Amino acid sequence: QKEVEQDPGPLSVPEGAIVSLNCTYSNSAFQYFMWYRQYSRKGPELLMYTYSSGNKEDGRFTAQVDKSSKYISLFIRDSQPSDSATYLCAMEDDYKLSFGAGTTVTVRA
Amino acid sequence: DARVTQTPRHKVTEMGQEVTMRCQPILGHNTVFWYRQTMMQGLELLAYFRNRAPLDDSGMPKDRFSAEMPDATLATLKIQPSEPRDSAVYFCASGSGQGVRMNTEAFFGQGTRLTVV
Repeated sequence: QKEVEQDPGPLSVPEGAIVSLNCTYSNSAFQYFMWYRQYSRKGPELLMYTYSSGNKEDGRFTAQVDKSSKYISLFIRDSQPSDSATYLCAMEDDYKLSFGAGTTVTVRA
Repeated sequence: DARVTQTPRHKVTEMGQEVTMRCQPILGHNTVFWYRQTMMQGLELLAYFRNRAPLDDSGMPKDRFSAEMPDATLATLKIQPSEPRDSAVYFCASGSGQGVRMNTEAFFGQGTRLTVV
C-alpha cells in the first residue's frame, strides 16, 4: 500500500463547476500538505500548502486537511478551462515529499 | 525570469548507453532535488542536495545511477548503463531555506523525457 493514495480520475466537469479532489495517507509523521498542479509536458508547480488540520483559502482554491482522518482535499470554485491539468497532492516528512498519483482534471467550456 | 533549466528536454538512447541529464537551479537556491515520474510509480525522489552536498540518494539505484553537483550552478544525473526500465521523465527542482520547510517552495524544471530503446 502506498503512503499516499489519490484517485487518478480522470475527472471531467463543465466550466463553472466545483472541482473536488482528495487524498488519503497512512504516515502520521506528515506535517506539511501540499497541492501541485502539472500541465501537460510541464513540471509540477506549487499551488497551496497547509500545516496541520484546517482550511486554507487562496482565491478560487481551498485546501482542507483533516489529520485525524488522514485526509486532505482541494476544492476549485468556478472552474475554468485553464484549470485543466493534473493535480498532485504531496506530503512532507522531514525533507522528503511523497506524492499522490495525480488526478487529471478537464474543465469543459 | 528565474527558472530551473534542464537539458536535454528529450533524449532517446539505446540500452547500455550512458545518459547525462543536467540541471541549472535558480540562482541563489541552495537545495536541489532529482525526481523521476512514470505512469506506474508517479513522482519518486531520487536524490537531494543541500549546499552541494548529497544528503539523501536512497531512492536511486546505486549500481547505475549517480548524481553530483560540480558547482552551485550545475547538478547532473547520470545513468550508466541505461536500461529500458529507466524510461521516464526526470525532474530537477530547487529551493532555498535553512530548514526542511524549504521543500514547500521547491520549483520544478520542465523535465527531461528519457526513452531507452
